[in-house]
Amino acid sequence: GAVVSQHPSRVICKSGTSVKIECRSLDFQATTMFWYRQFPKQSLMLMATSNEGSKATYEQGVEKDKFLINHASLTLSTLTVTSAHPEDSSFYICSARQAYSNQPQHFGDGTRLSIL
Amino acid sequence: GQQLNQSPQSMFIQEGEDVSMNCTSSSIFNTWLWYKQDPGEGPVLLIALYKAGELTSNGRLTAQFGITRKDSFLNISASIPSDVGIYFCAGRGGADGLTFGKGTHLIIQP
Repeated sequence: GAVVSQHPSRVICKSGTSVKIECRSLDFQATTMFWYRQFPKQSLMLMATSNEGSKATYEQGVEKDKFLINHASLTLSTLTVTSAHPEDSSFYICSARQAYSNQPQHFGDGTRLSIL
Repeated sequence: GQQLNQSPQSMFIQEGEDVSMNCTSSSIFNTWLWYKQDPGEGPVLLIALYKAGELTSNGRLTAQFGITRKDSFLNISASIPSDVGIYFCAGRGGADGLTFGKGTHLIIQP
């Protein structure tokens, strides 16, 4: 079945560091990928929609200059958390939907980001 | 924005019992999805529903897409220990990302 790979699975870094998270669709092409954030014991909240070859669409309240998204190919989207602070610590999860398909999104295994 | 109300928030049941959870929305969705999430992992798709009134099964799991397109339920029959986890409903309105419910935490006592 469809597989979405997310890397790294865990990051621990100092405040002020920028962190890049990769999301790859391994066996299908994805024109659209999605980035979610999940705080402990809470639900997933959509942050932004990543579109291949164009600018990402951000949800209300999500700072686009803080969370940089690049979707340069049909199999890779990256999320960069710039100048991360402790309040950015969270579980970040990406998902991808196969191009030209009504198939549901498949999720990566998430990245646990801890900012000290 | 769209909101999903998922209930119950948690369930403590005995192994072998049936489980039922549901989601309601103030808005119409074109697709309803049910996911299970284990600690430290991403959600795994259980059932996808595409048509109002659709009833779909996946092994011991059964889910239905409400006729009004504003609700869905998930049933698990004869629960087993590996059913433990957090279950999320999710709705999709169009080409957008998913709106998730707050989750139902299922705990099974042997």
